[in-house]
Amino acid sequence: AQSVTQPDIHITVSEGASLELRCNYSYGATPYLFWYVQSPGQGLQLLLKYFSGDTLVQGIKGFEAEFKRSQSSFNLRKPSVHWSDAAEYFCAVAARNTGTASKLTFGTGTRLQVTL
Amino acid sequence: DAGVTQSPTHLIKTRGQHVTLRCSPISGHKSVSWYQQVLGQGPQFIFQYYEKEERGRGNFPDRFSARQFPNYSSELNVNALLLGDSALYLCASSQAAGVGTDTQYFGPGTRLTVL
Repeated sequence: AQSVTQPDIHITVSEGASLELRCNYSYGATPYLFWYVQSPGQGLQLLLKYFSGDTLVQGIKGFEAEFKRSQSSFNLRKPSVHWSDAAEYFCAVAARNTGTASKLTFGTGTRLQVTL
Repeated sequence: DAGVTQSPTHLIKTRGQHVTLRCSPISGHKSVSWYQQVLGQGPQFIFQYYEKEERGRGNFPDRFSARQFPNYSSELNVNALLLGDSALYLCASSQAAGVGTDTQYFGPGTRLTVL
């Protein structure tokens, strides 16, 4: 069964500092990879996704993520964090074409706090 | 374009009662998925429906059921509510099912509290 691990439950960074959120997955083959963000009381917004090709993917709001097959990782980065980035971040995986359901398997999330 | 909409926003029920949650997908999307997000956890897959047929089910008891209507909207039903059913229920829509590249777009969720 596929699984996603986000080792950091809570991270605090200063505004303007760089950010890296870790994500590791366990899956028989390379899955499709996603990062979602959830603001308090809100649903999930897609930040970026990796299907194939260039292992460095760009997303919205200045975020990027790098897929490393050898490490089974898909870490999220941002060079300079803004106070509005404070939220919960979820890494998720989906199996490649299954012909049935295209379900997402999520990690437990990392809560980002930004100090001014 | 309108995004995924869900109703109601909040709901309070007591143990043993039944609840129905509703979801309208993005226009043109034919698939709806339901996820349960317990406080402090990531969302867990419950169901996916495509063209009114169930395409997948997560590890949830038979108290959970769903259906999709001809206009592609969907209902999630939960019977005999337990305290542990308290959660944020998220609906996601996508164009198809069984295609991992098909992005799922999430609604704001329905917060269910069971007392």
